[in-house]
Amino acid sequence: EPEVTQTPSHQVTQMGQEVILRCVPISNHLYFYWYRQILGQKVEFLVSFYNNEISEKSEIFDDQFSVERPDGSNFTLKIRSTKLEDSAMYFCAVRMAGGTDTQYFGPGTRLTVL
Amino acid sequence: KNQVEQSPQSLIILEGKNCTLQCNYTVSPFSNLRWYKQDTGRGPVSLTIMTFSENTKSNGRYTATLDADTKQSSLHITASQLSDSASYICVAHYGNNRLAFGKGNQVVVIP
Repeated sequence: EPEVTQTPSHQVTQMGQEVILRCVPISNHLYFYWYRQILGQKVEFLVSFYNNEISEKSEIFDDQFSVERPDGSNFTLKIRSTKLEDSAMYFCAVRMAGGTDTQYFGPGTRLTVL
Repeated sequence: KNQVEQSPQSLIILEGKNCTLQCNYTVSPFSNLRWYKQDTGRGPVSLTIMTFSENTKSNGRYTATLDADTKQSSLHITASQLSDSASYICVAHYGNNRLAFGKGNQVVVIP
């Protein structure tokens, strides 16, 4: 199973501050995803990323959010001006090219906005 | 609306006992259905995957069933162990690799 790491494991920030969450896939993946899970709620899809561009995004992924893969390895999620309701677990998921559509999830980053 | 509902929300079982978790899904077009195990503070890990034509799939002590006609699935845990304590999430794959997540069944196994 492909290994996916995420940093930081826990991020505490003040409302209005910018945060960058990072996902580091170990294997060579082509498809990347970000999900979030508010405490006690369902996992929600944010965005999918393929071939260095967004392929799909949900209504949650508004102008405050952006994604990029700046160095061809790390996959980042940026929240420009955090709000209290952005507090959640953020999961990165990756998928291999071809064959199976299995998405492999990272351990998540817990974001706390004060 | 593409959605997944699970029941019961939570349950407590004695170590060694069996339990069954239920999932109802409404997605279109359906691709496959997976059960994930999510330990506290961790990302979901896939347990089983079933396509439209599969009725039963086992992975060790986990057995999943799928009824594509009624759009229901179940996950049966046999001879539960303390390490089975986790949230079990039913996820329906549909469309262009979109995922619809259930809220999860929180299982607590006690000695």
